Amino acid sequence: DSGVTQTPKHLITATGQRVTLRCSPRSGDLSVYWYQQSLDQGLQFLIQYYNGEERAKGNILERFSAQQFPDLHSELNLSSLELGDSALYFCASRRTDLEGGYTFGSGTRLTVV
Amino acid sequence: AQSVTQLDSQVPVFEEAPVELRCNYSSSVSVYLFWYVQYPNQGLQLLLKYLSGSTLVESINGFEAEFNKSQTSFHLRKPSVHISDTAEYFCAVSRNNAGNMLTFGGGTRLMVKP
Repeated sequence: DSGVTQTPKHLITATGQRVTLRCSPRSGDLSVYWYQQSLDQGLQFLIQYYNGEERAKGNILERFSAQQFPDLHSELNLSSLELGDSALYFCASRRTDLEGGYTFGSGTRLTVV
Repeated sequence: AQSVTQLDSQVPVFEEAPVELRCNYSSSVSVYLFWYVQYPNQGLQLLLKYLSGSTLVESINGFEAEFNKSQTSFHLRKPSVHISDTAEYFCAVSRNNAGNMLTFGGGTRLMVKP
């Protein structure tokens, strides 16, 4: 157990739907990063939050959004889902955004049918 | 922006043989370097990291990597592999400043054969 908890582990949904992926960071970690892992794109950085504020944005589609709550858990919202959104979504946490290692959760496997 | 190239997408090797997984990076600023391992149907686990100091870093399970600044490389090596080392290995870099994120290479699938 890495200390980073992601729920759900698996999600199957239809095209056009909206889903929410949840990440609880390791205790004391302020920074949360979201990544997408797909066969064709590899591991792509989506977005980072630090202590509730958006800190950096990567290759995140406009249909996707995220937030970090006061208790530091984060949610990634994916809407108007397409088949190509099927992927493994990872969350990682870090003590701050300058120090500490990156600890990854076990991921949420999203399948869009 | 930084980028990472893992030169081999697959590396087949026999058990107890040595292995080297190659990683080259590109960055205009100083970076931290990492190797992560992903076993089938699992998440990413940190194998080892270079932040500063000695350019040779070791993991607890026999892997080592050497940071070579002039060649912008961070190759991963193990002198004798086991079947259990079969996994996907990812090299990653991050800048050592605020708002940094990990940039990953495409991964190398290590396949250890008996």
